[in-house]
Parts: sequence; structure tokens; C-alpha cells
Amino acid sequence: EVQLVESGGGLVQPGRSLRLSCAASGFTFDDYALHWVRQTPGKGLEWVSGISWNSGDTGYADSVEGRFTISRDSAKNSLYLHMNSLRPEDTALYYCVKGRNWNYAIDPFDYWGQGTLVTVSS
Amino acid sequence: QSVLTQAPSASGTPGQRVTISCSGGSSNIGTNTVDWYHQSPGTAPKLLIYTDNQRPSGVPDRFSGSKSASSASLAISGLQSEDEAVYFCATWDDSLKTWVFGGGTKLTVL
Repeated sequence: EVQLVESGGGLVQPGRSLRLSCAASGFTFDDYALHWVRQTPGKGLEWVSGISWNSGDTGYADSVEGRFTISRDSAKNSLYLHMNSLRPEDTALYYCVKGRNWNYAIDPFDYWGQGTLVTVSS
Repeated sequence: QSVLTQAPSASGTPGQRVTISCSGGSSNIGTNTVDWYHQSPGTAPKLLIYTDNQRPSGVPDRFSGSKSASSASLAISGLQSEDEAVYFCATWDDSLKTWVFGGGTKLTVL
């Protein structure tokens, strides 16, 4: 059974940093693309970032480009999102999402974690 | 403002057939395949249809997807109360170089 368990969310002040983690299990970690997708009541679902199976390709939404960095560690079967210069508009529930295949730019999202809540506020 | 346009709500009675639409443009739906997700309150989204019209294992054949030009549709036949959820469409946008989502359609079973 595929499991994606996010952690690292919380309340943080604007301008500060936070690192989200996602522990993956139930599939061959190195074979699949992974993503971070966030959700807010007002803006719905927004793709944040994706990374290909071998970390060779990464992509970011314009809203986070230059501030967020996605990475993966095959030794720990984990996905990460390093978030710098956080803004109030980054407040959202962040989901760790598995791609259906190796390419983050083509293959759909087939499994989602339960999410970790990030609140950016002073 | 979502790149893909969906009606905010839809409804139907048990047993009825309902269709949810998703409208985009030449750089997204017009070029790439469309996926559909559904989300019940308090839970994460789940993949319902991928690559325009493919169902993952376990999804009933009451759910079907189609695409024409820059629009896609999700049809649900034999509507059941457990189909009440929010339905999202998604695809890759070649111009934005990002995945884009519809705003979601909340389906109510009357």
C-alpha cells in the first residue's frame, strides 16, 4: 500500500524558512516522480513543485520560484521542500504527491498524502 | 483565478447521469491529456480519470472522461450519494511550464 506522510508544517513568521518532509513507502521510490501541491480554501489546488525520478529535472510554480527548493533522498525514501522567504500567501495545506510514472511534467498524480498545514503569519 | 475553468457546482438525483466540464486553452488541454480528481470533505484528492479517459484500478466504470479540442468532460452515470464530492480537472501547461488545475466543481446528490 502506497503511503505518503508529510511533516514539518506549522506556524512561521513572514520572511522565515521551513522545511517540509514526506516519508514514502509502498512503492519503488526511485522509479517515480514526486510533487508538492498546496490547497487553500480561496485559491483551490496549486501545483508547487515537482521532481523527476532521478532528481534530474525539477520544476516550480512562478509563485515560489527562487524561494522554494524541492529535493529527494532515495536512501531515506523521502521528499523535501525547503521554503525560504515565506509570505502570508504561502499559507496552505501542503500535499506530498506521487506521480504515476517517472516524468513530473507529464504523468498524473496517482497518490496523495494527507497534507501538512503551513501558516505564515506574524 | 484558475487557468482551467469549471462550474462551481453541479447536482443530480440518484441514478441520474451528470457531466462536469473543464475548459482550457491551446497550451494546456489543447495539447496535453487531462486528469480528474475527486475530493471528499476532510480528505486528500484521489485520482479518478487519467490521460483523458483511463480509469485507475478500483474506479467504477460509471465514471468516464472525454476531451475535445480545449475542453474536457467527466461523466458520472448511475449517480450515487457517495459521489458527493468536489471534482477537479488538471493538466500540464506547455506555456506556463506548470501543472494547472480547475477551480473544482462541487457535486451535490439531491
